[in-house]
Amino acid sequence: AQKITQTQPGMFVQEKEAVTLDCTYDTSDPSYGLFWYKQPSSGEMIFLIYQGSYDQQNATEGRYSLNFQKARKSANLVISASQLGDSAMYFCAMREGTTGANSKLTFGKGITLSVRP
Amino acid sequence: DSGVTQTPKHLITATGQRVTLRCSPRSGDLSVYWYQQSLDQGLQFLIQYYNGEERAKGNILERFSAQQFPDLHSELNLSSLELGDSALYFCASSVGITYNSPLHFGNGTRLTVT
Repeated sequence: AQKITQTQPGMFVQEKEAVTLDCTYDTSDPSYGLFWYKQPSSGEMIFLIYQGSYDQQNATEGRYSLNFQKARKSANLVISASQLGDSAMYFCAMREGTTGANSKLTFGKGITLSVRP
Repeated sequence: DSGVTQTPKHLITATGQRVTLRCSPRSGDLSVYWYQQSLDQGLQFLIQYYNGEERAKGNILERFSAQQFPDLHSELNLSSLELGDSALYFCASSVGITYNSPLHFGNGTRLTVT
C-alpha cells in the first residue's frame, strides 16, 4: 500500500494568490514526521517544512504552512502569495519512528505547480 | 545551498561500465542516504549509512554498492551499467536518524547510460 499519496494533477495558480497542495499518508506508527520538498526544473531537492505527529500547532516557515489534520491523515502544504519562482515539483514525504535507526524517508509521486504571471 | 556536495554533476557512460558517485554530507551530519530518481519509479531509497555503518537497505540492485568512509563522505558504486540505470542519483544527509530529522539533499548526479 502507498504510504504517501499525492493525487492532484498539475496545479496552476495565479501569481500572488495562495495555493494548497494535497498530501495524505498512511501509517500505524504513532511517531512520524511529515516533510515537504521542492524540486525546481534545475533538479535540486529543497527541504521546505516539517510537521511532527505530536505537534499541536501547524508548522509554518515563511510563506509555507502545513495544514495538518491528523485524524484525516492529511498534511497539505499551503503556499501563500505565490511567486513565479514557486513553479516546481513538490513532494510530500514521511519518516516513521518505530523503525528506529533505519527510518527512511518515503516520498509521494509529487505534484507539479505552475505559477502564472 | 543545502551543504551536501555531490560530484560529478553529470556523468555519461556506456552500458557495461562502472562509475562512482561521491557525496560529502553537511558538517555535523552522521547519516548519509542515497536515492535514485527516475521518471517511471519516482524517488527510490537505495541505502543508508550512519557513522560508517550500513543501517538500512532499500531497492538497491546487487550491481550497486556503497560505503561511508571515516571522514563521513560516501561513495555509490554502480557497475555493469544498463540503460535503465539512467537516472538522477541523490545523496542526502541528516544530523539524526529519528523521524523528526529532515534529510538535506545534494544537487544530484545525473547519470546517462548510452
